[in-house]
Amino acid sequence: AQSVTQLDSQVPVFEEAPVELRCNYSSSVSVYLFWYVQYPNQGLQLLLKYLSGSTLVKSINGFEAEFNKSQTSFHLRKPSVHISDTAEYFCAVTSMDSSYKLIFGSGTRLLVRP
Amino acid sequence: ETGVTQTPRHLVMGMTNKKSLKCEQHLGHNAMYWYKQSAKKPLELMFVYNFKEQTENNSVPSRFSPECPNSSHLFLHLHTLQPEDSALYLCASSHAGTGAYEQYFGPGTRLTVT
Repeated sequence: AQSVTQLDSQVPVFEEAPVELRCNYSSSVSVYLFWYVQYPNQGLQLLLKYLSGSTLVKSINGFEAEFNKSQTSFHLRKPSVHISDTAEYFCAVTSMDSSYKLIFGSGTRLLVRP
Repeated sequence: ETGVTQTPRHLVMGMTNKKSLKCEQHLGHNAMYWYKQSAKKPLELMFVYNFKEQTENNSVPSRFSPECPNSSHLFLHLHTLQPEDSALYLCASSHAGTGAYEQYFGPGTRLTVT
């Protein structure tokens, strides 16, 4: 069975500082990986995805994530955060094993302080 | 994001009431999902519909009854709910079987059971 672990339930950081949100997964087959963001009182929005090809994927608002197969990780990074990045971030994985259902981590709350 | 809409956005109901949640997707997808998001718990997949057929029911109590009349609409009928059913209910859609594995979420319905 697949699983996703987001070790940090909350990450406080000052504005303009870099941040890394960690995500590790377990799977015996090839996976597809996603990061979703949830702003207060809203649904989940797809931030970026890894399906194949380059292991470094980027979003339009400056976030990037790198698929590391040997470490079974897909950490999310941003070199300089803004107050508006304050939100809950969810890592998710899917594969043929899960019939392509998304398996979500428990989420990491990013709190950006001025 | 207007690709997936949900109504109502907020709902307060007593334990003896009957109500329905509605979801509509305008993305041309053929798979739809209901999730439950409770405070401090991972996202829980409730139901999956592929091409209008229910393909997954994750041991959801019978007081929740889904309906998918066509590939664009999804309902969740509620009756005799319990206070622990209070949560954010999210609808999502995706392309099933095309290699596009990401799901697109609606804004959710915040349900409070009194």
